[in-house]
Amino acid sequence: AIQLTQSPSSLSASVGDRVTLTCRASQGINSALAWYQQKPGKAPKLLISDASSLESGVPSRFSGSGFGTDFTLTISSLQPEDFATYYCQQFNSYPQRELTFGGGTKVEIK
Amino acid sequence: QLQLQESGPGLVKPSETLSLSCNVSGGSISNSNYFWGWLRQPPGKGPECIGMIYYSGSTHYNPSLKSRVTISMDTSKNQFSLELSSVTAADTAVYYCASVYGGGYVDLWGQGTLVTVSS
Repeated sequence: AIQLTQSPSSLSASVGDRVTLTCRASQGINSALAWYQQKPGKAPKLLISDASSLESGVPSRFSGSGFGTDFTLTISSLQPEDFATYYCQQFNSYPQRELTFGGGTKVEIK
Repeated sequence: QLQLQESGPGLVKPSETLSLSCNVSGGSISNSNYFWGWLRQPPGKGPECIGMIYYSGSTHYNPSLKSRVTISMDTSKNQFSLELSSVTAADTAVYYCASVYGGGYVDLWGQGTLVTVSS
């Protein structure tokens, strides 16, 4: 099974900071990667699909990039509502359809 | 607007079977663009996909849970269901039903339901 490793596991940042989160896959997954935001007590919310496609309604300060094994989620100017935990997720369909998530990065207020 | 709502017991005894249902409203589970999935999230941990079902009835299960999982659907009720057998404390988690676009991305989650395994 493909493993996803997120780094760092947590970070402290200030409002207005540029923040970059990393997700590394144990083998190449082309661009089959998504990013989710989760706030305490809530379900995750899809932010980005296909590594870089911003979902409708998601602020443009969020962006994703990468291909193969290395991916990043960037928040260009951190806002108070962005303090949350972020997960990456990959899917593959061979030899069997499978979705796996990374361990998450918690973004906290400095 | 598509909405998903989980229902089922919040407490299950060890060795018994966990059963949950998901009611889909605002759209049809026969939509060929979607798979319908069950995910769970233990306290303090990341999400885990349990499995998915397609409108054709084909199922895809997490290999680590495959021997204990059954996902089924009832198109007449626009619902799909999860059964997880022989549960232990390690199965305690928030369980979510979800729509999985193209079988790849979870674009809508239910609100989640906490299931505790305890005697």
